[in-house]
Amino acid sequence: AQSVTQLGSHVSVSEGALVLLRCNYSSSVPPYLFWYVQYPNQGLQLLLKYTTGATLVKGINGFEAEFKKSETSFHLTKPSAHMSDAAEYFCAVRLQTGEKNLFFGTGTRLTVIP
Amino acid sequence: NAGVTQTPKFQVLKTGQSMTLQCAQDMNHEYMSWYRQDPGMGLRLIHYSVGAGITDQGEVPNGYNVSRSTTEDFPLRLLSAAPSQTSVYFCASSYRGTGGYTFGSGTRLTVV
Repeated sequence: AQSVTQLGSHVSVSEGALVLLRCNYSSSVPPYLFWYVQYPNQGLQLLLKYTTGATLVKGINGFEAEFKKSETSFHLTKPSAHMSDAAEYFCAVRLQTGEKNLFFGTGTRLTVIP
Repeated sequence: NAGVTQTPKFQVLKTGQSMTLQCAQDMNHEYMSWYRQDPGMGLRLIHYSVGAGITDQGEVPNGYNVSRSTTEDFPLRLLSAAPSQTSVYFCASSYRGTGGYTFGSGTRLTVV
């Protein structure tokens, strides 16, 4: 079975500060990992994904995430927060074999303080 | 290129009523899924399909039915609406393989 834990349901940062959103997963087999962003009253948009290869992956809007197998983590970072980054962020896993669906964490709402 | 299209965007139902949420994708994706989103619970999988004619249950299937007669369409049926089904529903699709899912813009359903 697989599960996703996002530490912190709400995170606040000042504009220009580092954004760090945490995601840990539990999976019996190596998963594919994803971060999605949801702006108010909208659907989910893929920010970035890790499948194989380089463990540091870059996504849209200046975000990046690093897959650390030993820590079963896939934390999302951005060096400098912008007001437009205020949204809800979801970490998700998808197994490489068998199960084909996405399993989501409970989400982290990011607030950016001017 | 429309992507994943969901209709309606908003719906109010009375308890006991039935309805169908529509989902269509124009990307020739094999996989399609329905999720519901509730505050503090993330997205939970209701039903999914790996191809036309093939469907299976997800984490929270009770009270919902699906069918997949074509690659493009994956409707979700509420058989007898209950207040506990008040939620935002998302349809998503994906290619077979390593890609992420593409999501529709959602249907906000209220059952009174």
